[in-house]
Amino acid sequence: DTAVSQTPKYLVTQMGNDKSIKCEQNLGHDTMYWYKQDSKKFLKIMFSYNNKELIINETVPNRFSPKSPDKAHLNLHINSLELGDSAVYFCASSQSRADGYEQYFGPGTRLTVT
Amino acid sequence: GEDVEQSLFLSVREGDSSVINCTYTDSSSTYLYWYKQEPGAGLQLLTYIFSNMDMKQDQRLTVLLNKKDKHLSLRIADTQTGDSAIYFCAEGSNFGNEKLTFGTGTRLTIIP
Repeated sequence: DTAVSQTPKYLVTQMGNDKSIKCEQNLGHDTMYWYKQDSKKFLKIMFSYNNKELIINETVPNRFSPKSPDKAHLNLHINSLELGDSAVYFCASSQSRADGYEQYFGPGTRLTVT
Repeated sequence: GEDVEQSLFLSVREGDSSVINCTYTDSSSTYLYWYKQEPGAGLQLLTYIFSNMDMKQDQRLTVLLNKKDKHLSLRIADTQTGDSAIYFCAEGSNFGNEKLTFGTGTRLTIIP
C-alpha cells in the first residue's frame, strides 16, 4: 500500500504548455507539501497545505498553482512551462504530533521541459 | 533566513563508520532530521532529534547535536553497500507551520 503517491512519475513536455501533477496520501495526515529538487539535488519547499488551506507559499512564480480538493489530495498545476522548471517534484504529507512530525515523501515526478 | 550546510561528498570503506556532518543557522530550530534518498527514489526519514537532546541512538545510527555550535552529525556504524545514497539533514524551525529547510545533501559512496 503506497502511503504517498504521485502521478505521473515522468513528464516530458514542451515549453509553453500547461501541465498538472497529482498527489494523494492515504495516511490520514492533515498537512501536505510540494518540494522541488533541482539537478544539483538541492531540495526546496514550494507550498504547504493544512486541511485544504494554504499555510506556506515560498517565492514561487505565479505560474505554479497548488490545488487541494480535500485533505488527502494536493495537486500542482503549472502554466506556461519554462526550461528552468525541469526538476523532480516531490509531494509529502505529515501529521502534527507533540513529539514532532515526520514528513512522508512520494516517489517524485521527474519533469523535463524541452 | 535559515541556512543548512553539508559537505557534498563522502567516501567510506565497507565496514567502517561513516560520519556525515551538518551545520545550520536558525537557533529556533525545534527538530533536526536526517533523510536518506536512494537513486530514483523519494526521501526516507532515518531519524530525528529534538533540540533539547544531545544524542540519539537507533541501531547502527547515532545522531549527535551540538546546539551551541549549531552542528548536527549522523554516524552510521559498520557501513554497508546498501547505505550508498544521498543523506539530507533538515531543520524544522516553525513547529505548527511545519516547514523543513533541507541541507544540500551528502552523497555517500561505499568503497568495497
